[in-house]
Amino acid sequence: QQPVQSPQAVILREGEDAVINCSSSKALYSVHWYRQKHGEAPVFLMILLKGGEQKGHEKISASFNEKKQQSSLYLTASQLSYSGTYFCGTEKGGGSEKLVFGKGTKLTVNP
Amino acid sequence: EADIYQTPRYLVIGTGKKITLECSQTMGHDKMYWYQQDPGMELHLIHYSYGVNSTEKGDLSSESTVSRIRTEHFPLTLESARPSHTSQYLCASSANRPGNQPQHFGDGTRLSIL
Repeated sequence: QQPVQSPQAVILREGEDAVINCSSSKALYSVHWYRQKHGEAPVFLMILLKGGEQKGHEKISASFNEKKQQSSLYLTASQLSYSGTYFCGTEKGGGSEKLVFGKGTKLTVNP
Repeated sequence: EADIYQTPRYLVIGTGKKITLECSQTMGHDKMYWYQQDPGMELHLIHYSYGVNSTEKGDLSSESTVSRIRTEHFPLTLESARPSHTSQYLCASSANRPGNQPQHFGDGTRLSIL
């Protein structure tokens, strides 16, 4: 089942913060986050495993709430380079490593 | 830096032609994937391989076929291209270590069938 991402799009000014959510109606084993810039390949950001751990990547961090079956991506003090579409991918089943991706959240950071 | 290569980057071709999209990786990854992505849309898994001589179809039904004769090579073939096959095709691979591993993507092939 495809995870649901929200919001669909967000526009920020440089330096502002944003949160992108990824929810599933099925039990989550892991959540992958990727960023794709226009015309480019998706780039891996981080993987969250069940257990509620939080990970960080520069000024981007994420959390995984197993109980709520939700992951959130936090972008703090956004930079122009953060612009792109963010996709979460959820694993179909434990250990399958086949991902189902959400529809994406388009983030635009303006000067 | 991931080393996964796709050729061609762009292909415009007529209906009915046989097409092979190439994907190679130099990281020794066992797992490889093909995704289909329409402009502005999400990625859909169309093929998956656990290793040599192991392939599975993904969630999105596709008329394409794949083969995995060598670890580093995972080509995708369309026997008779149709306009409905117009899309971007992304290849990815991941390491065969225990636990979840990130997927490394190639730059994709933008396919346009006239």
